[in-house]
Amino acid sequence: DVKVTQSSRYLVKRTGEKVFLECVQDMDHENMFWYRQDPGLGLRLIYFSYDVKMKEKGDIPEGYSVSREKKERFSLILESASTNQTSMYLCASIQGNTEAFFGQGTRLTVV
Amino acid sequence: AQTVTQSQPEMSVQEAETVTLSCTYDTSESDYYLFWYKQPPSRQMILVIRQEAYKQQNATENRFSVNFQKAAKSFSLKISDSQLGDAAMYFCAYSMEYGNKLVFGAGTILRVKS
Repeated sequence: DVKVTQSSRYLVKRTGEKVFLECVQDMDHENMFWYRQDPGLGLRLIYFSYDVKMKEKGDIPEGYSVSREKKERFSLILESASTNQTSMYLCASIQGNTEAFFGQGTRLTVV
Repeated sequence: AQTVTQSQPEMSVQEAETVTLSCTYDTSESDYYLFWYKQPPSRQMILVIRQEAYKQQNATENRFSVNFQKAAKSFSLKISDSQLGDAAMYFCAYSMEYGNKLVFGAGTILRVKS
């Protein structure tokens, strides 16, 4: 019954490392999103994609990039991880008037 | 830009009682969609209820109902007969259209006391 899967539930990385967060959905959705969740700030949109090889910046794209080579997979990349990127990252996919489906989140700690 | 505000960082309710979570939003659009999501300790986001702005009737899903006041840009969630399993973080969210990006509030932690 799994619909959106994020590659890791917990991740610890060192400052300066390149970090890949993977998200895969099995619902053939066109629209996929990466959010960052911080206490008191809710979920903030980092990047989103409405189609393969297409990407658009969200509200807080600085320090991040994304890749969507296949419809089912949307990757979030931290080019050079910093401690202020320690956070919970949530992937979501949506299509049409269906509800948004979320992954279980990746709690990333950058040390 | 659209914004969503949840002014209650934390709320508590006694089991079997009723609690209301507040949400206000700002938009210049006339058609849009509003949602309440629940995030339990498992971190899995679950859709609780949704409301289309063009519908005047308030949405209801079992023990969950909303009070949608379009003119006031207010969208509160009422949970009746609260259960221990209702304890979670609740997020109010806005979208301009289905399938589009969601704008979230800061969230309200709901604690249910037995």
